Amino acid sequence: QSALTQPASVSGSPGQSITISCTGTSSDVGSYNLVSWYQQHPGKAPKLMIYEVSKRPSGVSNRFSGSKSGNTASLTISGLQAEDEADYYCCSYAGSSTFDHVVFGGGTKLTVL
Amino acid sequence: QVTLRESGPALVKPTQTLTLTCTFSGFSLSTSGMCVSWVRQPPGKALEWLALIDWDDDKYYSTSLKTRLTISKDTSKNQVVLTMTNMDPVDTATYYCARVSGPAASYFDYWGQGTLVTVSS
Repeated sequence: QSALTQPASVSGSPGQSITISCTGTSSDVGSYNLVSWYQQHPGKAPKLMIYEVSKRPSGVSNRFSGSKSGNTASLTISGLQAEDEADYYCCSYAGSSTFDHVVFGGGTKLTVL
Repeated sequence: QVTLRESGPALVKPTQTLTLTCTFSGFSLSTSGMCVSWVRQPPGKALEWLALIDWDDDKYYSTSLKTRLTISKDTSKNQVVLTMTNMDPVDTATYYCARVSGPAASYFDYWGQGTLVTVSS
């Protein structure tokens, strides 16, 4: 399985909205509504932000939303805040074989200007 | 309250075998649907999924590392162990364990703080 494709970096000003794309294939993103997104601040463990394409865990701001179309999933952050500056990773279920259960994206660095 | 904590050596020599232990609380791996996974992250690089074990002792591995990885569990101790053989400097990374949830065990809802493993002679 190849890593999912994300832009290396995105940026936005406070209050603006940004979208991070995550492109996979018909074997992963395109086949299952099982995409998740993680936020990672420097030196910290990843934090689940979105699961099953568009669901938010309890405690995650509703400024974070997810969607999917075909082989591409997207994470949108509205009303950008300084604390949103972090790395973001997408992840997709890749099938029930013994190998490559899930696949991660290469990560996107979000800069809040 | 779900917590996970990774433990193991901070430094290993090339060709050695790495053994990492994930000790968790707040859930049981004997409960149907529960899974634990290992994910690593080389310095400055992306997350990489390594392996997963479920409540039924089914095991899943990364294709690229399958010949070097073994995952196991000790339900009575609430522990999951990952071994990786023939360590190389490129395996230098922070290794995380995480609880896996959802349909098809598709997302990681709780993570340990990670443990940095450096491979050097």
